[in-house]
Amino acid sequence: GQNIDQPTEMTATEGAIVQINCTYQTSGFNGLFWYQQHAGEAPTFLSYNVLDGLEEKGRFSSFLSRSKGYSYLLLKELQMKDSASYLCAVRDWGTGGFKTIFGAGTRLFVKA
Amino acid sequence: DADVTQTPRNRITKTGKRIMLECSQTKGHDRMYWYRQDPGLGLRLIYYSFDVKDINKGEISDGYSVSRQAQAKFSLSLESAIPNQTALYFCATSDLSQGERVELFFGEGSRLTVL
Repeated sequence: GQNIDQPTEMTATEGAIVQINCTYQTSGFNGLFWYQQHAGEAPTFLSYNVLDGLEEKGRFSSFLSRSKGYSYLLLKELQMKDSASYLCAVRDWGTGGFKTIFGAGTRLFVKA
Repeated sequence: DADVTQTPRNRITKTGKRIMLECSQTKGHDRMYWYRQDPGLGLRLIYYSFDVKDINKGEISDGYSVSRQAQAKFSLSLESAIPNQTALYFCATSDLSQGERVELFFGEGSRLTVL
């Protein structure tokens, strides 16, 4: 089966750096996504990793280690607007084709 | 206007009632999905469809049914709603032509309360 684990909540200070970890177990791994979801809103795409290593996009970076079943999302120069839930999701191949499975999300609180 | 539109956005109903949540998209994507979101459980996949003739069950399909009326429309039905189906429901789309990345594009959500 599939299992995706990430911390429930994190708190960080404006201007700081925060790392949100995600571990996963899947049978047909085919990529890992991070989504951002503000309270009461739809999730929006942040990043995608399918090969090992770091992908950087502005203040956000995402890292993947397939052998360890591990990823992290790194947020730099935190801003108050970064307060949101961050969802780790894995694209998995199984009967019925590819589907995206989500972790429960990490709620990030950015304080002044 | 949103590319992925869900109706209704909010609905309160009673146990045993039939409910339909509708999703339409203008993105021209072939793949459509229904997820529900509950506090502490994240997004869970209910049903997904890769084209009009293809419907697949997700993690939690019991108590739900779907209809893919056209490439742009994907409806979710609760034949006899029960309180533990109270949740925030999201429709999402993705595009096969994106290749491997295949990110999901979400609608704004439909909040359903079953009393």
